[in-house]
Amino acid sequence: DAGITQSPRHKVTETGTPVTLRCHQTENHRYMYWYRQDPGHGLRLIHYSYGVKDTDKGEVSDGYSVSRSKTEDFLLTLESATSSQTSVYFCAILRTSGGATDTQYFGPGTRLTVL
Amino acid sequence: SQQGEEDPQALSIQEGENATMNCSYKTSINNLQWYRQNSGRGLVHLILIRSNEREKHSGRLRVTLDTSKKSSSLLITASRAADTASYFCATDAGTGFQKLVFGTGTRLLVSP
Repeated sequence: DAGITQSPRHKVTETGTPVTLRCHQTENHRYMYWYRQDPGHGLRLIHYSYGVKDTDKGEVSDGYSVSRSKTEDFLLTLESATSSQTSVYFCAILRTSGGATDTQYFGPGTRLTVL
Repeated sequence: SQQGEEDPQALSIQEGENATMNCSYKTSINNLQWYRQNSGRGLVHLILIRSNEREKHSGRLRVTLDTSKKSSSLLITASRAADTASYFCATDAGTGFQKLVFGTGTRLLVSP
């Protein structure tokens, strides 16, 4: 358990509405990540953060934005949700131990359905 | 695009048998990691092997890495019903910030 919580855990919304998912960590880790998981695709990186106000795009960032105003919170926003964004979203933190053995730990996930 | 591809996509065995899953990847890596995901849950880190290592053990898990073939295998010995889960490999291609690229996973079913 890496002290990661995600909220909400489940959400159903309609196409065109904005949605914000929250990832909260209690261990003061610098690096945080958002992934989505879809059948047949495994996990794909959406955005990541390497510090407060420092974020960058991942593999599938179109349609998503993020913000990190505090170390402990990393927010993922869908400005105008589409059905293709129906997915399970996972947040992760990086526990650093000196480079090549740094390891990501994952939150419990948020299941988002866009109707 | 996916960096890793697991093989097989699904595996069904009896308790006590060994389970072997394979992962192939495309680019040079710093390390390769294996994760387990129980149905409806988050991912749990199992083991990390660095690019200069060839084999690593952790309890009933044995991971091998062949960088010349860009492949890795995960062996679970003496499987238990509780090992039923999906298993994913993930690679860190050294592009910075440890951005992992995941494979599509192997679904393992261990029957009592």
